[in-house]
Amino acid sequence: ELKVEQNPLFLSMQEGKNYTIYCNYSTTSDRLYWYRQDPGKSLESLFVLLSNGAVKQEGRLMASLDTKARLSTLHITAAVHDLSATYFCAVDMAGTASKLTFGTGTRLQVTL
Amino acid sequence: GAGVSQTPSNKVTEKGKYVELRCDPISGHTALYWYRQSLGQGPEFLIYFQGTGAADDSGLPNDRFFAVRPEGSVSTLKIQRTERGDSAVYLCASGVGGNEQFFGPGTRLTVL
Repeated sequence: ELKVEQNPLFLSMQEGKNYTIYCNYSTTSDRLYWYRQDPGKSLESLFVLLSNGAVKQEGRLMASLDTKARLSTLHITAAVHDLSATYFCAVDMAGTASKLTFGTGTRLQVTL
Repeated sequence: GAGVSQTPSNKVTEKGKYVELRCDPISGHTALYWYRQSLGQGPEFLIYFQGTGAADDSGLPNDRFFAVRPEGSVSTLKIQRTERGDSAVYLCASGVGGNEQFFGPGTRLTVL
């Protein structure tokens, strides 16, 4: 059974600081997704990582994938309040984009 | 363009009743997915359609849950004899080519 773990589960950080969220998964996969969810809202796709060594950046967020270590990171640079949300990583074990297995999420709170 | 839509946005029902939840995918998307998200958790996979057929229904918790997609577009998730434990947000997603899943706003189901 595929397990996806994120840490930390909760992160409070000050504006302007940098931090990294980690996503570990238990079985082989080369497809990993990051989503953002605001309270009471649905999931917004942030990044799709499709191969070992993939790195993608959008604004203050950068995601990377190491399939050998079964690890993805979401790095936040110079956080701003608007980044406050819950971030989920999800893994497609089958490699054909059927079901996604989600992590438990990291709730990010950026304080002024 | 229009995203994934789900109706109703909220559904309150009594224990033992039957409910139907509807999903309209993005036009042209052949793949459709149902997930369930409990409070404070990541989404959990229920079922995946490719066209009209259920390609993977391994996430359906029991035989009270059933989903259809008769014309390969709109899908309905049906829950019989609802239980309080069925209360959750039911999310629908659609995609094409397998690279990404786009999520709808969800239906919040409350079973009293």
